[in-house]
Amino acid sequence: QVHLQESGPGLLKPSETLSLTCTVSGLSISSGYHWGWIRQPPGKGLEWIGSIHYSENTCYNPSLESRITISVDTSRNQFSLQLRSVTAADTAIYFCARIPHTGGPVITLYHLDYWGQGTPVTVPS
Amino acid sequence: QSALTQPASVSGSPGQSITISCTGTSSDVGNYNLVSWYQQHPDKAPKLMIYEVNKRPSGVSNRFSGAKSGNTASLTISGLQTEDEADYYCCSYATGSTLVFGTGTKVTVL
Repeated sequence: QVHLQESGPGLLKPSETLSLTCTVSGLSISSGYHWGWIRQPPGKGLEWIGSIHYSENTCYNPSLESRITISVDTSRNQFSLQLRSVTAADTAIYFCARIPHTGGPVITLYHLDYWGQGTPVTVPS
Repeated sequence: QSALTQPASVSGSPGQSITISCTGTSSDVGNYNLVSWYQQHPDKAPKLMIYEVNKRPSGVSNRFSGAKSGNTASLTISGLQTEDEADYYCCSYATGSTLVFGTGTKVTVL
């Protein structure tokens, strides 16, 4: 059974860099999926942040691309999110998820079939 | 990249059927059969209910079904049950190797 678990600091100050890690168990992160990050501000909807393949090919939300880096560590079966220059607007529950996809010249992302439980991140205003 | 449009709320009585719409554009819903639907109970992670427009993952009740016409996808819940009360989000692949979520719909069982 595939299991994903997010970890990272829950409280940051404005302008700091958010660093989160998702640890995958039950499946090798090199098994050929994309691995993604999604967030949900309090009382609001879901927002796709971006995703990565073990080959380090990435797909990013254009609205966040200038501030994010997603990386993968196959030796630890983990992938990570860095979000720079955080503000109160980045306060949210952050989820990681597995994403089936097809590769080639254009990466096609399909859906999010396994999710972590989510981790809260707060940036005071 | 704008969020897909869903009604804020839909309600129905136990046993009834309800349908949630999800409207996008020709850059997402209208151009790809890659619409998925997620159920989210309070303080829980989203759960995949429908993928590739109308396919159900193993373990998901056949009371849940999906469809698409043009730029609008839909999720139908038949035989509404109390445990179906939750938030529902659509999601679509979009041009440029991205994913876009819907605005979300709160389903209330009366």
